[in-house]
Amino acid sequence: AAGVIQSPRHLIKEKRETATLKCYPIPRHDTVYWYQQGPGQDPQFLISFYEKMQSDKGSIPDRFSAQQFSDYHSELNMSSLELGDSALYFCASALARYNEQFFGPGTRLTVL
Amino acid sequence: AQSVAQPEDQVNVAEGNPLTVKCTYSVSGNPYLFWYVQYPNRGLQFLLKYITGDNLVKGSYGFEAEFNKSQTSFHLKKPSALVSDSALYFCAVRDLDSNYQLIWGAGTKLIIKP
Repeated sequence: AAGVIQSPRHLIKEKRETATLKCYPIPRHDTVYWYQQGPGQDPQFLISFYEKMQSDKGSIPDRFSAQQFSDYHSELNMSSLELGDSALYFCASALARYNEQFFGPGTRLTVL
Repeated sequence: AQSVAQPEDQVNVAEGNPLTVKCTYSVSGNPYLFWYVQYPNRGLQFLLKYITGDNLVKGSYGFEAEFNKSQTSFHLKKPSALVSDSALYFCAVRDLDSNYQLIWGAGTKLIIKP
């Protein structure tokens, strides 16, 4: 069965650089969520989209932005990267807002 | 505000024994409750959910969870643990103030010893 696809799987950047993470939801899923998971921590909600519109915003820094495109894939844009941004970034998709979220494998971002 | 608590950082169980991973929640209305499992260096996998109906919910890999409204608990259980069940388990509740967010517990590391 198709799952959530995230790219790249690993990314190494220097401080103050920019990064773009991509997420391809399960086909026909209309909702995408972005999470940040630091080492040994639970996932922290960043932002979500429903039908290509931002539906909710969590602890996403102002340096980050995201959007969902017409084909439902989503991109998380991160600028002025800081060491503390090093984490695992998960994307999840769901069919309708109240259903369970299915997670991608994550992108491991390392900021040097 | 909605919240989830997983009181145990780690649970150790011998293979073949029953296991329980605890979760309690606090919500202002009816809870939507979820359990996810995370294997090392892997994404989170959905195990099971409770929205309404039967208090005993059965999920993937032989896991089940019991919703207890009076105790505001949603403990994860399995009758006979396998070494392959060793992983990090997260309980989550849907934030009713926000229709889409999941509020996560801190996670419980489950170690199954042969």
